[in-house]
Amino acid sequence: QVQLVESGGGVVQPGRSLRLSCVASGFTFSTYAMHWVRQAPGKGLEWVAVIWYDGSSKYYADFVKGRFTISRDNSKKTVYLQMNSLRAEDTAVYYCARVYSRDGYNYADYWGQGTLVTVSS
Amino acid sequence: QLVLTQSPSASASLGASVKLTCTLSSGHSNYAIAWYQQQPEKGPRFLMRVNIDGSHTKGDGIPDRFSGSSSGAERYLTISSLQSEDEADYYCQIWGTDLWVFGGGTKLTVL
Repeated sequence: QVQLVESGGGVVQPGRSLRLSCVASGFTFSTYAMHWVRQAPGKGLEWVAVIWYDGSSKYYADFVKGRFTISRDNSKKTVYLQMNSLRAEDTAVYYCARVYSRDGYNYADYWGQGTLVTVSS
Repeated sequence: QLVLTQSPSASASLGASVKLTCTLSSGHSNYAIAWYQQQPEKGPRFLMRVNIDGSHTKGDGIPDRFSGSSSGAERYLTISSLQSEDEADYYCQIWGTDLWVFGGGTKLTVL
């Protein structure tokens, strides 16, 4: 069955960096685009970034441009989110999600359980 | 600008039905959307995609009690025979060329 397992979250000081990982299993990882979505405490879902199946294209939400970098290693079935210059407002649970992107559709058909990032001094 | 609007809260009684609404922004009324359920302390779960004509395709294992429909710029999620485990947050989502947009979510309380 499809599984996505995030890791790498924790408590970090403002201005520091953190790298999140999401390991996939149960499907052919190299044929799917992957997204990161976050959820601040008590708030709704907020899209962060996407990377195409082969890593050839990457797009980011405006609020993370220049600070976060999405990447993937298809040999390791893993997608990453490198987060630099972290701010208190980046505190959230970060989810990775597999993308269903056929026939004009584009949505997350499977999600991980999330990893909590807390930015605090 | 892609915007999805959802009512912050809804409630219905155990065993009853409820219809949640997601309203698409002007100029985007011909878009399909996706619905997600997020139970307390869990990650989101894909429920279904809903097309402009109201046809919908559900995710794996989603019960028949869940259905979707459309009318103009509105997309609906109907849950019938409400059960306690349906108490959750429900989000709609739309996609652009290079981004996703989520609605603010509706918190459903089962009375």
